[in-house]
Amino acid sequence: GQSLEQPSEVTAVEGAIVQINCTYQTSGFYGLSWYQQHDGGAPTFLSYNGLDGLEETGRFSSFLSRSDSYGYLLLQELQMKDSASYFCAQNYGGATNKLIFGTGTLLAVQP
Amino acid sequence: DTEVTQTPKHLVMGMTNKKSLKCEQHMGHRAMYWYKQKAKKPPELMFVYSYEKLSINESVPSRFSPECPNSSLLNLHLHALQPEDSALYLCASSQDIGGLGNEQFFGPGTRLTVL
Repeated sequence: GQSLEQPSEVTAVEGAIVQINCTYQTSGFYGLSWYQQHDGGAPTFLSYNGLDGLEETGRFSSFLSRSDSYGYLLLQELQMKDSASYFCAQNYGGATNKLIFGTGTLLAVQP
Repeated sequence: DTEVTQTPKHLVMGMTNKKSLKCEQHMGHRAMYWYKQKAKKPPELMFVYSYEKLSINESVPSRFSPECPNSSLLNLHLHALQPEDSALYLCASSQDIGGLGNEQFFGPGTRLTVL
């Protein structure tokens, strides 16, 4: 079946830069999205890559390489409020806009 | 209004009960979704509605019955659930389907416990 693998946990300190990787096996998707979910909260959209390369949105950047079946989310100038779970998701668009989520990464930002 | 609202926030029900989850959005979005999320797991798609018609059912058991009364509302009717159905049920909406990178807006979810 479809699976997107992410590291289960990442720890970093305030002000640092952290990269969360997402590797997948299934192609045929329109693009790769990233969502943030705080404990007990709703997932919120962060970024989308429809094409290979880097997309930058403020402190967050996301990258996709279809030839390497790989993407990542880069978080800069980490803040305590960035402590949350982060999910990559393949967007299948088309007639459904179906999202298949990755396994998720729990980011802990320490002072 | 850029919110997706869900009611109730919490629901405890027995295996013989019938209950409904409600979801509402007033962003003019034409696609709405139900997801199920177990603790420390990613959201799993259950249903997709597009223009008030069911376009995806991800092989969900019939004890879950979705309904889209109009373009702003999405319900999930629950009947004869099992304890393993206990989870966070998330509703989401997007402007449309078929667009590239069509951001989905999620509600806060209903935390369901089946006894």
